[in-house]
Amino acid sequence: AQSVSQHNHHVILSEAASLELGCNYSYGGTVNLFWYVQYPGQHLQLLLKYFSGDPLVKGIKGFEAEFIKSKFSFNLRKPSVQWSDTAEYFCAVNSNQAGTALIFGKGTTLSVSS
Amino acid sequence: GAVVSQHPSWVICKSGTSVKIECRSLDFQATTMFWYRQFPKQSLMLMATSNEGSKATYEQGVEKDKFLINHASLTLSTLTVTSAHPEDSSFYICSASSRVTNTGELFFGEGSRLTVL
Repeated sequence: AQSVSQHNHHVILSEAASLELGCNYSYGGTVNLFWYVQYPGQHLQLLLKYFSGDPLVKGIKGFEAEFIKSKFSFNLRKPSVQWSDTAEYFCAVNSNQAGTALIFGKGTTLSVSS
Repeated sequence: GAVVSQHPSWVICKSGTSVKIECRSLDFQATTMFWYRQFPKQSLMLMATSNEGSKATYEQGVEKDKFLINHASLTLSTLTVTSAHPEDSSFYICSASSRVTNTGELFFGEGSRLTVL
């Protein structure tokens, strides 16, 4: 079955700490991979996406993610978090064929203390 | 480009009434639109997939008679929550797949928060 697993339910960090959020997927075929952020009370925003090519993807706000095909993983990283990064983070996957739905992970809540 | 707009952003209704939420792709034609539901502190769950001019395909456990989806054109899909009850209170989010880019990327609306009293 198609699924996305985010291992960390709630991560608590101090400002300037490094961040890595895990994401593993189970999905047949060639995939697209995404990370979204949702700030409290707000809508989804796309952080970064992977379609093909360089497995290290850079996104907005200093985030990056690495696609490791052999591990079916797409972990999100940021070298130094800020208080404003406090939010919910969702990993998502779909097929690279047009018109396929995104499957979301359960999300990781990141709390950053100043 | 690739903007998806939802209306209304917020809606409060009485139990038993019906509510319609619109999802429009403003600057592209959407071959397929998807409707998701997000309960507080939870992830997005796919409700249904709709293609222009066709009947929507609903995910298991989603009542098609309660959540009516119409995809009348390549830029508009509507979700009608019929006979809404408090347990239908949720954040409803639509997304669309572009006919042009054809990459599998979806573009999301800002969501519609439904509160049923």
